[in-house]
Amino acid sequence: KAGVTQTPRYLIKTRGQQVTLSCSPISGHRSVSWYQQTPGQGLQFLFEYFSETQRNKGNFPGRFSGRQFSNSRSEMNVSTLELGDSALYLCASSLEWANYGYTFGSGTRLTVV
Amino acid sequence: DQQVKQNSPSLSVQEGRISILNCDYTNSMFDYFLWYKKYPAEGPTFLISISSIKDKNEDGRFTVFLNKSAKHLSLHIVPSQPGDSAVYFCAASASQAGTALIFGKGTTLSVSS
Repeated sequence: KAGVTQTPRYLIKTRGQQVTLSCSPISGHRSVSWYQQTPGQGLQFLFEYFSETQRNKGNFPGRFSGRQFSNSRSEMNVSTLELGDSALYLCASSLEWANYGYTFGSGTRLTVV
Repeated sequence: DQQVKQNSPSLSVQEGRISILNCDYTNSMFDYFLWYKKYPAEGPTFLISISSIKDKNEDGRFTVFLNKSAKHLSLHIVPSQPGDSAVYFCAASASQAGTALIFGKGTTLSVSS
């Protein structure tokens, strides 16, 4: 059974640009969540999508957005990149609710220069 | 405000000894707790979980203890092995609210042989 696939694995962008990251969940998983991991802050919740609808949202500015498609694949977008957006972005999928346990992808390492 | 706290950024133990990783939470709505392990350049992987109706859950070398009155949980690894060296994240969710998993900042465990 294929795991959670995130593309690309690595990305370098310039401040002010925008970026789109992609996540394909495990087949059958309808919930997709996104997290940002930075060295000092651990894993911070960005948002969760379920059946193409945003079900939960963390405390990130509006520059961070996402969407989910009918096949459960998800994308997140960051506009007007800032140096502080450099982080590992992790996608996780689960059957329905978070307490079923997530399966994480390997992440996209974003570097903003 | 941090709802899930792992107050020890790092822990070093010798091979064969017990490793105890601690986690505190503040939100009394949390009723499901999970531990994840993360190696560099990989996404976190699920380790063990516990529901608030239990105070202990075991899986091989890993045992999680939950003290609801103290809002504290701990992960015991016995015996510790060098392959256990990783970052361990505690996470919590409030199933009734359908919230996402809220993670602590992680504890880096180093097991020396």
